[in-house]
Amino acid sequence: DAGVTQSPTHLIKTRGQQVTLRCSPISGHKSVSWYQQVLGQGPQFIFQYYEKEERGRGNFPDRFSARQFPNYSSELNVNALLLGDSALYLCASSYLTGVSTEAFFGQGTRLTVV
Amino acid sequence: DAKTTQPPSMDCAEGRAANLPCNHSTISGNEYVYWYRQIHSQGPQYIIHGLKNNETNEMASLIITEDRKSSTLILPHATLRDTAVYYCIVSRMDSSYKLIFGSGTRLLVRP
Repeated sequence: DAGVTQSPTHLIKTRGQQVTLRCSPISGHKSVSWYQQVLGQGPQFIFQYYEKEERGRGNFPDRFSARQFPNYSSELNVNALLLGDSALYLCASSYLTGVSTEAFFGQGTRLTVV
Repeated sequence: DAKTTQPPSMDCAEGRAANLPCNHSTISGNEYVYWYRQIHSQGPQYIIHGLKNNETNEMASLIITEDRKSSTLILPHATLRDTAVYYCIVSRMDSSYKLIFGSGTRLLVRP
C-alpha cells in the first residue's frame, strides 16, 4: 500500500507570494494533520482535519489555512509568505478508531522563501 | 511546550543496545507515551507507544516505570541505519493526531 504522499517535494517562492501544498493520506485514513519543521527543531502542529472538518489548530497566524476534500486528501495554503515560513512541511495521516493509534508521516515538502 | 525531557544527544556502538531515556513527570493518567524517530530529511516514523505496561514490537521495546514518570526506549541491536533523532511524546488517545514534539535525542550509532 502507498504511504502518505506529499507534493511537491521542493518549492521555492518569493516573499509575499502564496503557496499550496498537497497531501494524500493512506487509503482508509480519514484524519490528516499538518506540521511545520524549521531547521534544527522538532515538528510543530499546524492543523488537523477529520472527515473534512477542522478538529484542531496550532499557534499559527491566519495566513495559514487548510482544507480536506471528500477523498480525504488535503491542502495547506500559506498566504503572504515570509522568510520565516521556510521549513519542511509535513503531513500525517491516521485512522482514528477510538483507541490509541499512530500517525504516519509523509516525506514532506521543503519550502524555501527568498 | 513539550511535556517530555530528553538528553540532546547519545551514541552507541553498532550491534549494542541503545537505551534512550525520557522524563515525563507530569504525565496524566489518560496520556500515552509515544516514540517516533526522524532520519535525516525524512518524515518522522512511528516506533512504539504504551500506556503503563511494557511494550515490544519488531523495532524496539518500551519500558515505562511504575509511576509512569519516565520511560526508556530500547533498540536491542542498533545498526547504522538507526542513526536518527528520537522523539518521546506524551499524548491523550483522542489527541494522538496532535503530537507535541520536543527537541528529541540525536542518536549516533558508531561503526
